[in-house]
Amino acid sequence: NAGVTQTPKFRVLKTGQSMTLLCAQDMNHEYMYWYRQDPGMGLRLIHYSVGEGTTAKGEVPDGYNVSRLKKQNFLLGLESAAPSQTSVYFCASSYSRQQGGGQPQHFGDGTRLSIL
Amino acid sequence: KNQVEQSPQSLIILEGKNCTLQCNYTVSPFSNLRWYKQDTGRGPVSLTIMTFSENTKSNGRYTATLDADTKQSSLHITASQLSDSASYICVVSFPNDYKLSFGAGTTVTVRA
Repeated sequence: NAGVTQTPKFRVLKTGQSMTLLCAQDMNHEYMYWYRQDPGMGLRLIHYSVGEGTTAKGEVPDGYNVSRLKKQNFLLGLESAAPSQTSVYFCASSYSRQQGGGQPQHFGDGTRLSIL
Repeated sequence: KNQVEQSPQSLIILEGKNCTLQCNYTVSPFSNLRWYKQDTGRGPVSLTIMTFSENTKSNGRYTATLDADTKQSSLHITASQLSDSASYICVVSFPNDYKLSFGAGTTVTVRA
């Protein structure tokens, strides 16, 4: 049982390049989330999805796009990478409709992204 | 301004000792308060979840408390082990919303 799997684990990009971060979960969760984690700050929600084919903006969505074509996968795209997007990106999934519904979010181990 | 503040930012304790981490929040009303453990290089893992009506929840050597009146929570680690070295994150959820407010975490280092 893999849980939440993120690929790649590390990546270095040049400013202006594009890339896609992949997230896959095998727990049949309806809800999936992308966060970024920066030093000295709490995790911040970028985008989330409440089901296959749906996406919505979170707290810091600018510069990112997402897609949820299959229930088990949630993709995060950077169209034109900027140094400010250097961060650790975490994907999470959960059962509950509400994050406050008492069901924990299950996190992947992150993608460490550096933009030069 | 972050709605969840944790203290201390970091602490060092000797193996076998106890410690308590603090979390103050301004989110109100809220649905539940969670504590996560994040090992270096890994994603956060849920330790406890408490609704606003609960005032304590245990998970092995971890005990979380909640005082909704003062908007404070604490995480107590009993008889610390080397494997307790990690960042501990306090998270408050908004009701009827997908938003979670994360604290910046307290880094705990347990030394032999």
